[in-house]
Amino acid sequence: AQKITQTQPGMFVQEKEAVTLDCTYDTSDPSYGLFWYKQPSSGEMIFLIYQGSYDQQNATEGRYSLNFQKARKSANLVISASQLGDSAMYFCAMREETGGGADGLTFGKGTHLIIQP
Amino acid sequence: KAGVTQTPRYLIKTRGQQVTLSCSPISGHRSVSWYQQTPGQGLQFLFEYFSETQRNKGNFPGRFSGRQFSNSRSEMNVSTLELGDSALYLCASSQGSRNTEAFFGQGTRLTVV
Repeated sequence: AQKITQTQPGMFVQEKEAVTLDCTYDTSDPSYGLFWYKQPSSGEMIFLIYQGSYDQQNATEGRYSLNFQKARKSANLVISASQLGDSAMYFCAMREETGGGADGLTFGKGTHLIIQP
Repeated sequence: KAGVTQTPRYLIKTRGQQVTLSCSPISGHRSVSWYQQTPGQGLQFLFEYFSETQRNKGNFPGRFSGRQFSNSRSEMNVSTLELGDSALYLCASSQGSRNTEAFFGQGTRLTVV
């Protein structure tokens, strides 16, 4: 069963608008971490934001925030005031923590975000 | 603080050869995980090392192996290369404890011809 679902293969957004990238996940592990990464065309995976399953508040990092809805198993990434440099692939990932996270990260298929001037 | 360093950045190998990729994690991080990224399969977990021990392995054939040294640096080896092994290989570094961020290197792009 697919553990991470990103339903938006691609998105076009006008510069300076806010963007929401969808991510739903599936796990029976009560302890898990959720991640968002940005991958520009150069290939490097850039860490954006992390949310632990027991965190009470939504994570924020500068222009990035994670809209964590645990009951719905949803972890959407919100980018405020988008910039041309935000154009990239965005991946949602999860790591199940019971057992020390030894199973690594499970990634979604990604969303290709293009910011238009 | 230096980030995750992967070498080499690019490799071209011939079918049947073997290859070794290197990953130096962030200082103080004890966990290194390896991932393969291809257009068809996306990002797939290869294996994870913590304190020189392989803790888990993804669904890859035995041609894919790795190891971790006492300084936490890790190497990944692929023997008897196949055309399908062409991919971007990424390694991720984390402290290894629960609920911690994982940071990636720039990757090694392997092309098998």
